[in-house]
Amino acid sequence: GENVEQHPSTLSVQEGDSAVIKCTYSDSASNYFPWYKQELGKRPQLIIDIRSNVGEKKDQRIAVTLNKTAKHFSLHITETQPEDSAVYFCAAVTGRRALTFGSGTRLQVQP
Amino acid sequence: GAVVSQHPSWVICKSGTSVKIECRSLDFQATTMFWYRQFPKQSLMLMATSNEGSKATYEQGVEKDKFLINHASLTLSTLTVTSAHPEDSSFYICSAPRTEEAFFGQGTRLTVV
Repeated sequence: GENVEQHPSTLSVQEGDSAVIKCTYSDSASNYFPWYKQELGKRPQLIIDIRSNVGEKKDQRIAVTLNKTAKHFSLHITETQPEDSAVYFCAAVTGRRALTFGSGTRLQVQP
Repeated sequence: GAVVSQHPSWVICKSGTSVKIECRSLDFQATTMFWYRQFPKQSLMLMATSNEGSKATYEQGVEKDKFLINHASLTLSTLTVTSAHPEDSSFYICSAPRTEEAFFGQGTRLTVV
């Protein structure tokens, strides 16, 4: 089955700096890659997603890149703010539409 | 966006008892729903796929006789944790896909004492 690896596990940045989280996946059949922000005790919140036929997608301060050949995808957050502090998960979806999640990144934005 | 409602949001039960968790898609039909489990400070792990009108499929290592799944209608899936033990204490969350996007329930914090 699919395996998704995520790095780093923790990331601390100063407010205003950029944050980058990287994921790799193993199943070349995966065709949809969402990113989630999860606050403690809450459901994951979709922040951006990318499909396998697209290399890059941007939404204001958030961007995602996908390299299908290398099976890598990354989340980029620019101009970070304290409210960006949370746990972020990448995921990969194959045809059966179940999510395989990465291990998570705890992002701390220091004011 | 689509709405998925999960109840209860939290439950405390005694060891050896059973707990039922409901997951409803409120504004769309879901022939498939997924159940995930998340232990503290860990990722979400797929437990099982709930299929309307047929048996659920379970991931490796998940006991189908302990985690009973019923998907009786196009909008409702239930997960029953039978003979719960303290090690079953976790955050259980369902999702229903619509096209590619997954819509999550609020999650259920289960504590077995």
